Amino acid sequence: GENVEQHPSTLSVQEGDSAVIKCTYSDSASNYFPWYKQELGKGPQLIIDIRSNVGEKKDQRIAVTLNKTAKHFSLHITETQPEDSAVYFCAASTGTSYDKVIFGPGTSLSVIP
Amino acid sequence: NAGVTQTPKFRVLKTGQSMTLLCAQDMNHEYMYWYRQDPGMGLRLIHYSVGEGTTAKGEVPDGYNVSRLKKQNFLLGLESAAPSQTSVYFCASSTRVGYTFGSGTRLTVV
Repeated sequence: GENVEQHPSTLSVQEGDSAVIKCTYSDSASNYFPWYKQELGKGPQLIIDIRSNVGEKKDQRIAVTLNKTAKHFSLHITETQPEDSAVYFCAASTGTSYDKVIFGPGTSLSVIP
Repeated sequence: NAGVTQTPKFRVLKTGQSMTLLCAQDMNHEYMYWYRQDPGMGLRLIHYSVGEGTTAKGEVPDGYNVSRLKKQNFLLGLESAAPSQTSVYFCASSTRVGYTFGSGTRLTVV
C-alpha cells in the first residue's frame, strides 16, 4: 500500500522567511496530493492540492510542487506570518473509486515574530 | 452550513466501558472516515464508508466498530475501552475533492 514520508517533523522560521516541507510517496499510481493545515485544537483543513498532470500550483503565499519521477512533492510558504504556525500534513491518493487518502506524519511549523 | 459535526468533544472513560462517537455531515458527501491522531504518528484511518449501509476497515480497526445507517451519520463504537485507545478522534467526509474534517473528540481511557 501507499506510504507517505514527511520532513522535517518540526520547523522554526523567523517571520517573513520562507518555509519548505517535503514529502515522498511510494505508490507510483498516486495522482492526487493534498496538503492540510491543523491549528491547535481544530481539525485539519485543506489548504492546497495538486494533481499529477500539474508540476506546480500557487495560491497567494503558498505553493506546491510535484516531481512524479522522483515521487516527491513539497509545500512552500513565503513571507511567513505568525498565523502560519500550525501542523501541516501532506497526503497522497490514487483517486480510485473512493477518495481514501494516506497522510504523512505531519510537520509542526513555528513562525517566530 | 455546519459541515462536519462531532459529538462529544471530550470524554473520559474507564477501562472496559463502552461508548459511541457520533459524526454528522450536512454536505451530502458519499464518503466518510474515522481517524485517530496520536503524537508523532499523524492521522491513522480506523474505518471508512463509501456510502450508506457500507463500511470497511482501515489501517487500525481493532477494538472499534462503525455503522452508517444514514448517509449523513457515521458512528464509531468502542465496545470495551482500553488505555491504548486514548487519542483524539477525527471524523471526515469527502466527495472526490478533498476532505472536510470535524473538530475532533478527545478521548481519555483511564
